[in-house]
Amino acid sequence: AQSVTQPDIHITVSEGASLELRCNYSYGATPYLFWYVQSPGQGLQLLLKYFSGDTLVQGIKGFEAEFKRSQSSFNLRKPSVHWSDAAEYFCAVGDWADKLIFGTGTRLQVFP
Amino acid sequence: GAVVSQHPSRVICKSGTSVKIECRSLDFQATTMFWYRQFPKKSLMLMATSNEGSKATYEQGVEKDKFLINHASLTLSTLTVTSAHPEDSSFYICSATSGEAYNEQFFGPGTRLTVL
Repeated sequence: AQSVTQPDIHITVSEGASLELRCNYSYGATPYLFWYVQSPGQGLQLLLKYFSGDTLVQGIKGFEAEFKRSQSSFNLRKPSVHWSDAAEYFCAVGDWADKLIFGTGTRLQVFP
Repeated sequence: GAVVSQHPSRVICKSGTSVKIECRSLDFQATTMFWYRQFPKKSLMLMATSNEGSKATYEQGVEKDKFLINHASLTLSTLTVTSAHPEDSSFYICSATSGEAYNEQFFGPGTRLTVL
């Protein structure tokens, strides 16, 4: 069965520090992978997606993610975190039917 | 572009009553809309998929008679929670796809339902 695991429930970083949020997936075929961010009072916003091709994907707000098939991972990274990045981050895997399966999310807290 | 709205943003109702939540695509035609439920500190759980003009497809374990979904037009889908009970209290989120960008779902801001 398809599944997504985000091992870190809560991460705290200082502003300006680098960030890596982990995501592991279980999927029978080539996955479509996504990272979304959820801020209070706002809908989920797509940060980036991977369908095929270059395994290093650039997204909005300075985020990037790397697809590693051998590790079944799609970790999200940012070299320098801003206070406005504090939010809930969800990794998701999609199938041909457009359904998305979400991980349990990682809450990012940023200290000044 | 690609804005999805939900109404209401929060609703409180008495046990036994029904509540309707609207999901609208404001600047595009949504061929498919999805309804999710999100519990506190939990992931989004897909409840059902609806295509305009056809019956919704419910995920396993979701009561179709409890959660009525109607997708009457290309810009509007509604979720009605019938005979609501406290255990139905949750955050309900809809999303929509236009069919132009594969698998890119645009999400509404969610509706907080509290059943007393």
